[in-house]
Amino acid sequence: SYELTQPLSVSVALGQTARITCGGNNIGSKNVHWYQQKPGQAPVLVIYRDSNRPSGIPERFSGSNSGNTATLTISRAQAGDEADYYCQVWDSSSWVFGGGTKLTVL
Amino acid sequence: QITLKESGPTLVKPTQTLTLTCTFSGFSLSTSGVGVGWIRQPPGKALEWLALIYWDDDKRYSPSLKSRLTITKDTSKNQVVLTMTNMDPVDTATYYCAHKGVVEDAFDIWGQGTMVTVSS
Repeated sequence: SYELTQPLSVSVALGQTARITCGGNNIGSKNVHWYQQKPGQAPVLVIYRDSNRPSGIPERFSGSNSGNTATLTISRAQAGDEADYYCQVWDSSSWVFGGGTKLTVL
Repeated sequence: QITLKESGPTLVKPTQTLTLTCTFSGFSLSTSGVGVGWIRQPPGKALEWLALIYWDDDKRYSPSLKSRLTITKDTSKNQVVLTMTNMDPVDTATYYCAHKGVVEDAFDIWGQGTMVTVSS
Protein backbone atom coordinates (compact mmCIF):
# COMPACT_ATOMS: atom_id res chain seq x y z
CA SER A 1 0.00 0.00 0.00
CA TYR A 2 1.08 3.56 -0.66
CA GLU A 3 2.72 5.44 2.20
CA LEU A 4 3.10 9.15 2.91
CA THR A 5 5.84 10.42 5.22
CA GLN A 6 5.63 13.71 7.08
CA PRO A 7 7.92 15.20 9.73
CA LEU A 8 6.42 14.95 13.20
CA SER A 9 6.94 18.63 13.90
CA VAL A 10 7.95 21.89 12.27
CA SER A 11 8.63 25.17 14.02
CA VAL A 12 8.49 28.64 12.51
CA ALA A 13 9.02 32.10 13.89
CA LEU A 14 6.08 34.44 13.81
CA GLY A 15 5.93 36.17 10.43
CA GLN A 16 8.35 33.78 8.76
CA THR A 17 7.76 31.02 6.21
CA ALA A 18 6.96 27.44 7.21
CA ARG A 19 7.40 24.50 4.89
CA ILE A 20 5.86 21.12 5.62
CA THR A 21 6.88 18.20 3.44
CA CYS A 22 5.07 15.04 2.43
CA GLY A 23 7.14 12.26 0.94
CA GLY A 24 5.93 9.39 -1.22
CA ASN A 25 7.14 7.24 -4.08
CA ASN A 26 6.74 9.35 -7.24
CA ILE A 27 4.22 11.52 -5.43
CA GLY A 28 4.68 14.11 -8.16
CA SER A 29 2.46 11.96 -10.38
CA LYS A 30 -0.43 12.18 -7.93
CA ASN A 31 -2.77 14.91 -6.75
CA VAL A 32 -1.87 15.94 -3.22
CA HIS A 33 -4.30 17.57 -0.82
CA TRP A 34 -3.55 19.26 2.50
CA TYR A 35 -5.68 19.60 5.61
CA GLN A 36 -5.32 21.79 8.68
CA GLN A 37 -6.62 20.50 12.00
CA LYS A 38 -6.73 22.64 15.11
CA PRO A 39 -7.16 21.04 18.55
CA GLY A 40 -10.64 19.71 19.11
CA GLN A 41 -11.77 20.57 15.59
CA ALA A 42 -12.43 18.68 12.38
CA PRO A 43 -9.87 18.91 9.58
CA VAL A 44 -10.22 21.70 7.03
CA LEU A 45 -9.05 21.42 3.42
CA VAL A 46 -6.47 24.15 2.78
CA ILE A 47 -4.88 23.00 -0.51
CA TYR A 48 -6.26 20.65 -3.16
CA ARG A 49 -4.66 19.21 -6.27
CA ASP A 50 -1.15 20.19 -5.21
CA SER A 51 -1.47 23.96 -5.26
CA ASN A 52 -5.09 25.13 -5.34
CA ARG A 53 -6.75 26.97 -2.49
CA PRO A 54 -10.43 26.47 -1.64
CA SER A 55 -12.42 29.66 -1.23
CA GLY A 56 -11.77 31.31 2.11
CA ILE A 57 -8.22 30.00 2.50
CA PRO A 58 -5.66 32.83 2.70
CA GLU A 59 -3.16 33.33 -0.11
CA ARG A 60 -0.45 32.74 2.48
CA PHE A 61 -1.09 29.02 1.99
CA SER A 62 0.46 27.48 -1.11
CA GLY A 63 1.58 24.09 -2.29
CA SER A 64 3.90 22.37 -4.71
CA ASN A 65 4.53 18.81 -5.77
CA SER A 66 7.39 17.25 -7.70
CA GLY A 67 9.36 14.04 -7.73
CA ASN A 68 9.04 12.29 -4.40
CA THR A 69 8.07 15.31 -2.29
CA ALA A 70 5.05 17.57 -1.95
CA THR A 71 5.35 20.74 0.10
CA LEU A 72 2.86 22.93 1.91
CA THR A 73 4.18 26.46 2.36
CA ILE A 74 2.74 28.92 4.84
CA SER A 75 4.03 32.45 4.37
CA ARG A 76 4.00 35.13 7.05
CA ALA A 77 3.08 32.57 9.66
CA GLN A 78 0.56 33.65 12.28
CA ALA A 79 -0.24 32.31 15.72
CA GLY A 80 -3.54 31.08 14.32
CA ASP A 81 -1.70 28.79 11.88
CA GLU A 82 -0.53 26.61 14.75
CA ALA A 83 -2.16 23.25 14.05
CA ASP A 84 -1.63 19.75 12.76
CA TYR A 85 -1.32 19.43 9.00
CA TYR A 86 -2.02 16.28 6.99
CA CYS A 87 -1.28 15.47 3.37
CA GLN A 88 -3.51 13.06 1.45
CA VAL A 89 -3.51 11.31 -1.91
CA TRP A 90 -5.74 8.87 -3.75
CA ASP A 91 -4.02 5.65 -4.73
CA SER A 92 -5.39 2.35 -5.99
CA SER A 93 -8.95 3.26 -5.01
CA SER A 94 -7.89 4.18 -1.49
CA TRP A 95 -7.57 7.52 0.26
CA VAL A 96 -4.21 7.71 2.02
CA PHE A 97 -3.25 10.20 4.72
CA GLY A 98 0.18 11.13 5.95
CA GLY A 99 1.05 10.81 9.62
CA GLY A 100 0.59 14.52 10.25
CA THR A 101 2.91 17.39 11.17
CA LYS A 102 2.48 19.61 14.17
CA LEU A 103 3.27 23.21 13.28
CA THR A 104 4.45 25.40 16.14
CA VAL A 105 4.61 29.15 15.68
CA LEU A 106 7.25 30.65 17.97
CA GLN B 1 -24.05 25.32 2.24
CA ILE B 2 -22.89 21.76 2.73
CA THR B 3 -23.07 20.32 6.23
CA LEU B 4 -22.57 16.83 7.61
CA LYS B 5 -23.20 15.46 11.08
CA GLU B 6 -22.28 12.13 12.57
CA SER B 7 -24.41 10.30 15.09
CA GLY B 8 -24.17 7.03 16.95
CA PRO B 9 -23.21 5.47 20.26
CA THR B 10 -20.45 7.01 22.33
CA LEU B 11 -19.62 3.72 24.04
CA VAL B 12 -19.56 0.19 22.64
CA LYS B 13 -18.35 -3.04 24.17
CA PRO B 14 -15.61 -5.20 22.67
CA THR B 15 -16.89 -7.60 19.99
CA GLN B 16 -20.01 -5.50 19.41
CA THR B 17 -20.94 -3.92 16.09
CA LEU B 18 -20.72 -0.15 15.72
CA THR B 19 -23.30 1.65 13.58
CA LEU B 20 -22.72 5.29 12.70
CA THR B 21 -24.97 7.56 10.69
CA CYS B 22 -23.92 10.58 8.69
CA THR B 23 -26.78 12.99 7.99
CA PHE B 24 -26.00 15.63 5.43
CA SER B 25 -27.53 18.63 3.71
CA GLY B 26 -26.63 21.03 0.95
CA PHE B 27 -25.89 18.41 -1.69
CA SER B 28 -27.39 15.33 -3.25
CA LEU B 29 -25.78 11.92 -3.21
CA SER B 30 -27.47 11.38 -6.57
CA THR B 31 -25.17 13.87 -8.29
CA SER B 32 -22.64 12.25 -10.55
CA GLY B 33 -19.16 12.15 -9.03
CA VAL B 34 -20.16 12.96 -5.46
CA GLY B 35 -19.17 10.72 -2.56
CA VAL B 36 -19.32 10.54 1.21
CA GLY B 37 -16.43 9.06 3.13
CA TRP B 38 -15.65 8.01 6.68
CA ILE B 39 -12.37 8.81 8.35
CA ARG B 40 -11.33 8.13 11.94
CA GLN B 41 -8.72 9.50 14.32
CA PRO B 42 -7.63 7.74 17.52
CA PRO B 43 -6.79 10.14 20.35
CA GLY B 44 -3.51 11.89 19.61
CA LYS B 45 -3.00 10.00 16.38
CA ALA B 46 -3.30 10.53 12.65
CA LEU B 47 -6.29 10.43 10.34
CA GLU B 48 -7.20 7.07 8.85
CA TRP B 49 -9.55 6.65 5.90
CA LEU B 50 -12.14 3.88 6.35
CA ALA B 51 -14.66 3.82 3.51
CA LEU B 52 -16.37 5.84 0.82
CA ILE B 53 -19.62 5.48 -1.10
CA TYR B 54 -20.22 7.12 -4.47
CA TRP B 55 -23.40 8.57 -5.95
CA ASP B 56 -23.85 5.41 -8.05
CA ASP B 57 -23.57 3.12 -4.98
CA ASP B 58 -20.01 2.13 -5.81
CA LYS B 59 -18.17 1.46 -2.56
CA ARG B 60 -14.52 1.58 -1.52
CA TYR B 61 -13.00 0.24 1.67
CA SER B 62 -9.69 0.47 3.45
CA PRO B 63 -7.89 -2.76 2.60
CA SER B 64 -6.85 -3.28 6.22
CA LEU B 65 -10.43 -3.01 7.54
CA LYS B 66 -12.46 -4.20 4.58
CA SER B 67 -13.66 -7.39 6.24
CA ARG B 68 -15.21 -5.45 9.11
CA LEU B 69 -16.81 -2.50 7.29
CA THR B 70 -20.05 -1.94 5.43
CA ILE B 71 -21.12 1.42 3.99
CA THR B 72 -24.59 2.14 2.68
CA LYS B 73 -26.62 5.15 1.67
CA ASP B 74 -30.22 6.27 1.83
CA THR B 75 -30.49 9.01 -0.74
CA SER B 76 -34.06 9.90 0.20
CA LYS B 77 -33.02 10.54 3.79
CA ASN B 78 -29.69 12.16 2.93
CA GLN B 79 -27.88 9.65 5.11
CA VAL B 80 -24.86 7.40 4.88
CA VAL B 81 -24.41 4.58 7.36
CA LEU B 82 -21.16 2.87 8.35
CA THR B 83 -21.09 -0.37 10.28
CA MET B 84 -17.95 -1.83 11.81
CA THR B 85 -18.04 -5.30 13.29
CA ASN B 86 -16.06 -6.89 16.09
CA MET B 87 -15.09 -3.65 17.80
CA ASP B 88 -11.89 -3.59 19.85
CA PRO B 89 -10.42 -1.00 22.24
CA VAL B 90 -7.96 0.01 19.50
CA ASP B 91 -10.97 1.22 17.50
CA THR B 92 -11.52 3.98 20.06
CA ALA B 93 -11.45 7.14 17.99
CA THR B 94 -13.27 10.17 16.69
CA TYR B 95 -15.16 9.14 13.57
CA TYR B 96 -15.74 11.74 10.86
CA CYS B 97 -17.84 11.71 7.74
CA ALA B 98 -16.86 13.99 4.88
CA HIS B 99 -18.02 15.13 1.46
CA LYS B 100 -16.03 14.30 -1.65
CA GLY B 101 -16.78 16.64 -4.50
CA VAL B 102 -17.48 15.90 -8.12
CA VAL B 103 -14.00 16.43 -9.50
CA GLU B 104 -11.42 16.20 -6.76
CA ASP B 105 -10.50 13.16 -4.70
CA ALA B 106 -10.22 15.38 -1.63
CA PHE B 107 -12.63 15.71 1.27
CA ASP B 108 -13.70 19.32 1.05
CA ILE B 109 -16.26 19.46 3.85
CA TRP B 110 -16.14 17.49 7.11
CA GLY B 111 -18.59 16.79 9.87
CA GLN B 112 -17.75 17.70 13.44
CA GLY B 113 -16.91 14.11 14.32
CA THR B 114 -18.24 11.76 16.96
CA MET B 115 -16.10 10.14 19.64
CA VAL B 116 -16.54 6.41 20.10
CA THR B 117 -14.99 4.57 23.02
CA VAL B 118 -14.66 0.80 23.03
CA SER B 119 -14.58 -0.55 26.54
CA SER B 120 -16.21 -3.24 28.62
